[in-house]
Amino acid sequence: GQNIDQPTEMTATEGAIVQINCTYQTSGFNGLFWYQQHAGEAPTFLSYNVLDGLEEKGRFSSFLSRSKGYSYLLLKELQMKDSASYLCAVHDSNYQLIWGAGTKLIIKP
Amino acid sequence: NAGVTQTPKFRVLKTGQSMTLLCAQDMNHEYMYWYRQDPGMGLRLIHYSVGEGTTAKGEVPDGYNVSRLKKQNFLLGLESAAPSQTSVYFCASSPDSASQPQHFGDGTRLSIL
Repeated sequence: GQNIDQPTEMTATEGAIVQINCTYQTSGFNGLFWYQQHAGEAPTFLSYNVLDGLEEKGRFSSFLSRSKGYSYLLLKELQMKDSASYLCAVHDSNYQLIWGAGTKLIIKP
Repeated sequence: NAGVTQTPKFRVLKTGQSMTLLCAQDMNHEYMYWYRQDPGMGLRLIHYSVGEGTTAKGEVPDGYNVSRLKKQNFLLGLESAAPSQTSVYFCASSPDSASQPQHFGDGTRLSIL
């Protein structure tokens, strides 16, 4: 079966750095996405990785290791508005997105 | 910029009733998707479309039907609603490239009593 694992919940302090991990086992791999979803709202796109390595976009970075089936999302200089769920999703061999259940990130002052 | 628009935003149905959820996108995207999101679970694909006039089943298609008569619209129908279909439904669209992100509507919160 296909599976994506993320921690259910994480807590961090405003101004700090947090790393959200995602491991996947899918039938094929054609790219990995990270989305942000605030409570009661739609998911919004954050980053895309298809090759190994780090992609940086402002305060957010995403890393991929295809050989390990592993990715992480790194959030720097945390702000209260970063409190949200972060969803990891993988394109399988049929280009269908397989979604993780999401990591709820709680930011404390 | 409207993006992806879903109607209605909220709905309460009785078991056995039918309804249609409407999704409209103004970005000229080829691909459209219907997902459901339940607590503690990832988004699950119900049905999708790779272009006008085409539809295909996703991971959890039973109890739902879809139609894509116009490129900009993707309709999701529940023929006979069941309490297990209580969920938040999201529509999304994307260009025809697999590397392009999906753009989501604001969701429809559906309760079946």
